[in-house]
Amino acid sequence: DIQMTQSPSSLSASVGDRVTITCRASQTISSHLNWYQLKPGKAPKILIYGASSLQSGVPLRFSGSGSGTHFTLTISSLQPEDFATYYCQQSYISVPWTFGQGTRVEIK
Amino acid sequence: QVQLQESGPGLVKPSQTLSLTCTVSGGSINSGGFYWTWIRQHPQKGLEWIGYISYNGSAYHNPSLRGRLTISLDTSKNQFSLKLTSASAADTAVYYCVRATDYDYGDTWGQGTLVTVSS
Repeated sequence: DIQMTQSPSSLSASVGDRVTITCRASQTISSHLNWYQLKPGKAPKILIYGASSLQSGVPLRFSGSGSGTHFTLTISSLQPEDFATYYCQQSYISVPWTFGQGTRVEIK
Repeated sequence: QVQLQESGPGLVKPSQTLSLTCTVSGGSINSGGFYWTWIRQHPQKGLEWIGYISYNGSAYHNPSLRGRLTISLDTSKNQFSLKLTSASAADTAVYYCVRATDYDYGDTWGQGTLVTVSS
C-alpha cells in the first residue's frame, strides 16, 4: 500500500492566518491526491481533488498544489468555520485508497 | 442533491456480523460513473478505506478485510450495504458511506454512524 504522511499532526492558528498542511507519499502518485475536511458530527467534505482542483462550492481561500510525492493544502486566511481536521488521500492506486493520519487545526 | 444516510445497529457482539445499510436519496444508485464506498474511522485514529461497489455490482475490497467483507447493492431500494463477519473490538469505528467518482475521490459523504463491538 502507498503510505501517506501528513505534517504537522496538529497546529494552532488564529483567524486570518495563512495555514499550510503538507502531505507526502511513499512513492510517486502523479497528481492523484485529494483533500478532505472533517468536523465532529458532520458529513466530511471534499475540498480539493487531483492535487489542485477546487471542488464546486468550496471557498477560494482553499488551494492545493504539488505532484509526485509532495503536496500542500493552503488556507489563505483562516476563518472560524475552518477549524477542523484535514486528511489527504491518494487515488493513484485504487485498491486500497490510503489516507494521511490527519492534521487537526485548532484555535490559538 | 444526492444525500447518503447510514443505518444499522450501534452495538455488535464480538464474533457476530456487523451489518450497515446506506440509503441514497436525490439520485439513482444505478448511475454510471460512481462507486458506492464504505470508509471507517477508528476512535482517535485516521481514515481507513473498506471497499466499494460499482453500479453494475463489481466490488473491490481492502485486502486487509478480504474474507470477512461483503458489499452489495439493492437497486430496488436505492441502497448499498456492508457486512463484516467475525467482528472484533478492532472493528469499533465510525462508519461512513460515500459516493466516489470515477477519479477515485469521495464527493458526497454520509454523516457517519458509530458501531461499537463489545459484549
